[in-house]
Amino acid sequence: SQQGEEDPQALSIQEGENATMNCSYKTSINNLQWYRQNSGRGLVHLILIRSNEREKHSGRLRVTLDTSKKSSSLLITASRAADTASYFCATGGGETSGSRLTFGEGTQLTVNP
Amino acid sequence: EPEVTQTPSHQVTQMGQEVILRCVPISNHLYFYWYRQILGQKVEFLVSFYNNEISEKSEIFDDQFSVERPDGSNFTLKIRSTKLEDSAMYFCASSGGGGSWETQYFGPGTRLLVL
Repeated sequence: SQQGEEDPQALSIQEGENATMNCSYKTSINNLQWYRQNSGRGLVHLILIRSNEREKHSGRLRVTLDTSKKSSSLLITASRAADTASYFCATGGGETSGSRLTFGEGTQLTVNP
Repeated sequence: EPEVTQTPSHQVTQMGQEVILRCVPISNHLYFYWYRQILGQKVEFLVSFYNNEISEKSEIFDDQFSVERPDGSNFTLKIRSTKLEDSAMYFCASSGGGGSWETQYFGPGTRLLVL
């Protein structure tokens, strides 16, 4: 499997429910970032977690990182119809800024009203 | 809030033609990138640029591609002789200017269609 693989590939939930998306990667990383992409649109940065961090919160988002398992999860609590989008994890491997991001395949989240 | 902008939003071109995609990164950022996303596929890194030179490029970024920062604000991607397989959404990104240096901020993309 390739660097930055998300599962599930697609997730459909009801408004108000929590949505959990997972990401696995293969090589060592410096940081892991989550992005949202609405259909056919640009990538919106959601949250960054560094390799020495285990958990991070931002509003309704909670990200965890387990470097021993090379995996991360993104939890969206109390989902809304507006959260419907594709969610991608992207790993940054470099020690300094300017390193490429390697994106996963993405999870398509549908939140039904 | 500062944002990355890209022009044009859509471009249609004939195979073999040259195209230039333009980007204005966030003004105090130091690192600039181009990525592409073929329809239905994941986002792929093309090239990164720092201090007026390429700092890293992927295997996709062959001699048909070039990047330039012609002035203090613009960052361009040129495809010299487009191929059908160059059809994709092209994203510009920037990072490295205060706050979180690793966070890459993406523009809205240019959708390129090669006929």
